[in-house]
Amino acid sequence: GAGVSQTPSNKVTEKGKYVELRCDPISGHTALYWYRQSLGQGPEFLIYFQGTGAADDSGLPNDRFFAVRPEGSVSTLKIQRTERGDSAVYLCASSLKAGGDTQYFGPGTRLTVL
Amino acid sequence: AQSVAQPEDQVNVAEGNPLTVKCTYSVSGNPYLFWYVQYPNRGLQFLLKYITGDNLVKGSYGFEAEFNKSQTSFHLKKPSALVSDSALYFCAVRGSNDYKLSFGAGTTVTVRA
Repeated sequence: GAGVSQTPSNKVTEKGKYVELRCDPISGHTALYWYRQSLGQGPEFLIYFQGTGAADDSGLPNDRFFAVRPEGSVSTLKIQRTERGDSAVYLCASSLKAGGDTQYFGPGTRLTVL
Repeated sequence: AQSVAQPEDQVNVAEGNPLTVKCTYSVSGNPYLFWYVQYPNRGLQFLLKYITGDNLVKGSYGFEAEFNKSQTSFHLKKPSALVSDSALYFCAVRGSNDYKLSFGAGTTVTVRA
């Protein structure tokens, strides 16, 4: 079946602009996660959704970052007033349910802030 | 807090030789351990996991990993490496009551023909 998909695959924006990154999880997966991978590092947790609600957003670096999952499927990560330090690959993952299950990752969105 | 250490930035082996990628972890309670592989410009691909049971876990593409509780290690192994195994490998851990993964910095594996 189809895996996790993310759009766009690449996004180049200017400092100060607003961006949205989209994630389509595997069908039927109730848990969804966002991670950020900076160059030369492993992914770092940002936020976790169980259904429509953000169960844990402790990894969001500041209030410029926000994510939604209004219908419990597709999720959008939103970044306001982008900064050069936000440049990274943003990875989305989903699992059948929270706790114990394997997280399956999408291909990521490479965000470049000029 | 939970964390993972991958002590080797790079591992180089000849095709046909055994491959080992090292991982040690720190977590409260029982660990859930994972290995992922990342090819250039691709997302993370799941290889295998340890939750409970047999300490030797077998996964995709001939990979296996051995859980060692006393040494808090979860090394990835393959008896005979292929050139196509050249990629970036990540070890990850989470606690049994947690859901967010903590990743190591990754190990680049190069298999030469």
